[in-house]
Amino acid sequence: QVQLVESGGGLVKPGGSLRLSCAASGFTFSDYYMSWIRQAPGKGLEWISYITSGVTTISYADVVKGRFTISRDNAKKSLYLQMNSLRAEDTAVYYCARSWKVTEIDYWGQGTLVTVSS
Amino acid sequence: QLLLTQSPSASASLGASVKLTCTLSSGHNTYAIAWHQQQPGKGPRYLMKVNSDGSHRKGDGIPDRFSGSSSGAEHYLTISSLQSEDEADYYCQTWDTGLWVFGGGTKVTVL
Repeated sequence: QVQLVESGGGLVKPGGSLRLSCAASGFTFSDYYMSWIRQAPGKGLEWISYITSGVTTISYADVVKGRFTISRDNAKKSLYLQMNSLRAEDTAVYYCARSWKVTEIDYWGQGTLVTVSS
Repeated sequence: QLLLTQSPSASASLGASVKLTCTLSSGHNTYAIAWHQQQPGKGPRYLMKVNSDGSHRKGDGIPDRFSGSSSGAEHYLTISSLQSEDEADYYCQTWDTGLWVFGGGTKVTVL
């Protein structure tokens, strides 16, 4: 069965960095687009970045552009999010998710919590 | 600008039906959307994709009591025979070149 397992969350000070990982299994990872979506405490879902299956296209939401970098390793079936210059408003649960091209997300991970606080 | 609007809350009695609405912004009424369920304390779960013609395709293992439809810019999720485990937040999602967009979510309460 399809599984997406995020890791790497934790407590970080404002201005700090963190790298999230998402390990995929149960499907041909290299065939799918992958995204990161976050959810601030008590708030709704916010898409922040996606990467195409062959890494030909990467897109970011304006709120993270220039600070976050998405990447993937198809051989390791893994997705990553490098987060730099973190701010308090980046505090959220971060989910990785898959989609077939730029279409509906059809599987989600369970999320990893990132807390930015001094 | 591509936006999705959802009512913040809805409620219905156990065993009854509830219909949730997701409205596309002006000029985008031919877009498909997807519905996702998020139970308390859990990650989201994909329910289905609803096309502009009202046809829909469900995710793996989604019960028959969940159905989708659409009319113009409005997309609907109907939950029949409400169960206690249906008490959750429901989000609609759409997409365009280079981005995904989520509605603000509807909290469903089972009375």
